[in-house]
Parts: sequence; C-alpha cells; structure tokens
Amino acid sequence: EAGVTQFPSHSVIEKGQTVTLRCDPISGHDNLYWYRRVMGKEIKFLLHFVKESKQDESGMPNNRFLAERTGGTYSTLKVQPAELEDSGVYFCASSRGPGIYEQYFGPGTRLTVT
Amino acid sequence: KQEVTQIPAALSVPEGENLVLNCSFTDSAIYNLQWFRQDPGKGLTSLLLIQSSQREQTSGRLNASLDKSSGRSTLYIAASQPGDSATYLCAVPTGTASKLTFGTGTRLQVTL
Repeated sequence: EAGVTQFPSHSVIEKGQTVTLRCDPISGHDNLYWYRRVMGKEIKFLLHFVKESKQDESGMPNNRFLAERTGGTYSTLKVQPAELEDSGVYFCASSRGPGIYEQYFGPGTRLTVT
Repeated sequence: KQEVTQIPAALSVPEGENLVLNCSFTDSAIYNLQWFRQDPGKGLTSLLLIQSSQREQTSGRLNASLDKSSGRSTLYIAASQPGDSATYLCAVPTGTASKLTFGTGTRLQVTL
C-alpha cells in the first residue's frame, strides 16, 4: 500500500508569487488533513477534508490560502500571494476516519519564500 | 483549548541507556494519542498509537503509556541506539474534526 505522497518536496519562491502544493492520500482514505510547521514552532493544523468537503478549516491563517480536493482524491493547497511568514514545512496526512483512526503523514513540502 | 507539552526539549544519552520521554495534555477528552519521530529534513513516522481505552502500547523497544485522567503519556525507549536519534513528537486529536494538536517535541541524541 502506497503511503501519503506530497509534491514538490521543496519549493523556493519570491514574495508575491503563487505556489501550489499537492497531496495524494492513501487510497481509500476519505479524511485528509493539512498541517504546517513554521521555524521553531510546533506543527499546527490547517484544515480537514472528508472526501471533497471541508470539514474544518479553522486553522487556515488567512484568505491567501486556498485548499481544494476535487473528486475527493488528491488535494491541493495554493498560497497566493506568498508572504515571508508562509515559509515552513507543509504536511499532509490521511486517515480512514476521524477520531480513533490513525493519521498517516506524508514527507512534507518545504516552502521557502524569499 | 488543548495544549500539549513535551519535556525535556532536548536529551543526549549514551548508547545502551533506557530513557523516558514525557508528554502532557490539558484536555483529557481525547480519542487516542500518537507518538511520532521526525528525522532532520524528513516527514513524520508514526511510532505508536495508543487508544484512550488502553493504558499501554508496545512496538519493539518502544513502549508508550497513557494516563488520561492525569493528562500524561510517556514513551519509553529501551537500550537506545544511535539510530534512535531524532525528534520525538506526541499528538492528540481534538474536537469533532479530530485535528491533531502537537507538542513541540523532544530532540534526542544517542551518542556512541
């Protein structure tokens, strides 16, 4: 069984540019989560999809961030326009269900905004 | 609001020692608790998932305990090896969306 995959592994962009991160969950996992770790801080939740629906987007920092999960398979997280404080590692996770189910994490995308 | 704390923040031990990492959380209404390890520049590897109804979970040289009522979990690593060097994170799912709240981690270095 393939794990959670993320693309790209690393992205370096200039302030004001747009970047799109992609996450492919484990096949059959309806629940997909995005998290972020900025330098020196703990990993923080961004949002949660159940299939194609946003279940909880309380962690999204502002309207420069847009997440989609068309068709309930892979998900994208777009940052537009990127700011310096958006630099960090963006993790995606998936699970069979909420609550008691284990979340499996991808390798992350390291975003550097210069 | 759930808060997760891990102590110590960093730990250096010689190879072969047994060690304990601590994790505490403020809201005991959790489904489970997960321990992860993160190697530099890499993603998160799930080590152990301990359900709220369990008190212990074991995998190889790792043993995690959970005391929900006191809001604590420990990760015991037996006979530590240099390959155990990594950052160890604990996380608990919170709320109906089950988003994970993470601690800041314990950076472990096992020396030869």
